[in-house]
Amino acid sequence: QKEVEQNSGPLSVPEGAIASLNCTYSDRVSQSFFWYRQYSGKSPELIMSIYSNGDKEDGRFTAQLNKASQYVSLLIRDSQPSDSATYLCAVDSNYQLIWGAGTKLIIKP
Amino acid sequence: GAGVSQSPSNKVTEKGKDVELRCDPISGHTALYWYRQSLGQGLEFLIYFQGNSAPDKSGLPSDRFSAERTGGSVSTLTIQRTQQEDSAVYLCASSHGTGNTEAFFGQGTRLTVV
Repeated sequence: QKEVEQNSGPLSVPEGAIASLNCTYSDRVSQSFFWYRQYSGKSPELIMSIYSNGDKEDGRFTAQLNKASQYVSLLIRDSQPSDSATYLCAVDSNYQLIWGAGTKLIIKP
Repeated sequence: GAGVSQSPSNKVTEKGKDVELRCDPISGHTALYWYRQSLGQGLEFLIYFQGNSAPDKSGLPSDRFSAERTGGSVSTLTIQRTQQEDSAVYLCASSHGTGNTEAFFGQGTRLTVV
């Protein structure tokens, strides 16, 4: 049973600080990793994709991948109240997506 | 179309009635997923279509649930004899398919069984 694990939170971070979200996965051969943001009452929205070990930056977001340790993380710099949402980690396993349960992030003004 | 389109946005039905939910994926996307999400919960995988391959139905919760995808494009999720526990948001997503699994979601169908 392929699994993706996330801390459910809530993770509370002061405005302007760095939010760090983590995800571990069980399928060693996974090659594609995704972070989605889901606002309450809305559908998940793709915010980051990462395929290679290391860091990938896009604006205030940085995804980090370590295949040897089987974890992927998302850093959000200069956190804003609008970043408050549930963040879902998804991992490609045999061309299907396996989802974590999501981490609820709360940015405190 | 420009994005994944789902209809209806909201559906209220009486217990025991059948419902059909529709998903129109992004043009050219060969992979299509159906998920169910109850309030405050994560995504529950229902079914996965990839091109002309046999669908992965391993997530369908009971034989009251079925789905089809016609012509490799539009998909319909059918729930027969609806029960109150079927109330949830049903989400559809599509991706290019093999080799590219970036998935994009529709706005969902909120199903309420009364």
